[in-house]
Amino acid sequence: QSALTQPRSVSGSPGQSVTISCTGTSTDLGTYTYVSWYQQHPGKAPKLMIYDVHKRASGVPDRFSGSKSGNTASLTISGLQADDEAEYFCGSYAGAYTGVFGGGTKLTVL
Amino acid sequence: EVQLVESGGGFIQPGGSLRLSCAASGFTVSSNHMSWVRQAPGKGLEWVSIIYNADDRNYADSVKGRFTISRDNSKNTLYLQLNNLRADDTAVYYCVRGGSAMFWAFEHWGQGTLVTVSS
Repeated sequence: QSALTQPRSVSGSPGQSVTISCTGTSTDLGTYTYVSWYQQHPGKAPKLMIYDVHKRASGVPDRFSGSKSGNTASLTISGLQADDEAEYFCGSYAGAYTGVFGGGTKLTVL
Repeated sequence: EVQLVESGGGFIQPGGSLRLSCAASGFTVSSNHMSWVRQAPGKGLEWVSIIYNADDRNYADSVKGRFTISRDNSKNTLYLQLNNLRADDTAVYYCVRGGSAMFWAFEHWGQGTLVTVSS
């Protein structure tokens, strides 16, 4: 149950697009389509943004999109807004009713 | 409306025990897969445990043999018994539930309860 790998930080200017990667292995992300993404503002509980690789959770704007290729999943945020500044975590099913998360990526909106 | 309210966290010495509770409302815990996820201070999320189906359970390797997940259907409450606690168990513990038609994604989160393990 090793953590998924995410970049420590990414940044972008308002209106731009950013992509956050999440790399796993053939025992988790590479095998299953149960990949999810969470947004966390300081002091708050995480909020589900994307599930099943590309499906948006209720109320999430279509500026957020997800994809997967091989052992790597990606979250793309287009039309960056100030409120998008947060920590983003990916998660994946790892079989046998176990799961794994990434270490988190800090998104800074310049 | 789905609500999850954790309690039971606190300051405990290494080797000690705690029981975390998660009071659920707006749904029945017995009919849903329920998990615990933790987050050490300034760190990432870590999936800890799940209870699913009638009474199946699973755990992260890091807590297996020390933590026990359970639920009381009459109280609509989820529990996590933490035994033989270590310093690296220090974290905010979240009770989580998936959304409708989601197999492995956590749509509903409690506010979390902080467990601090220190001498």
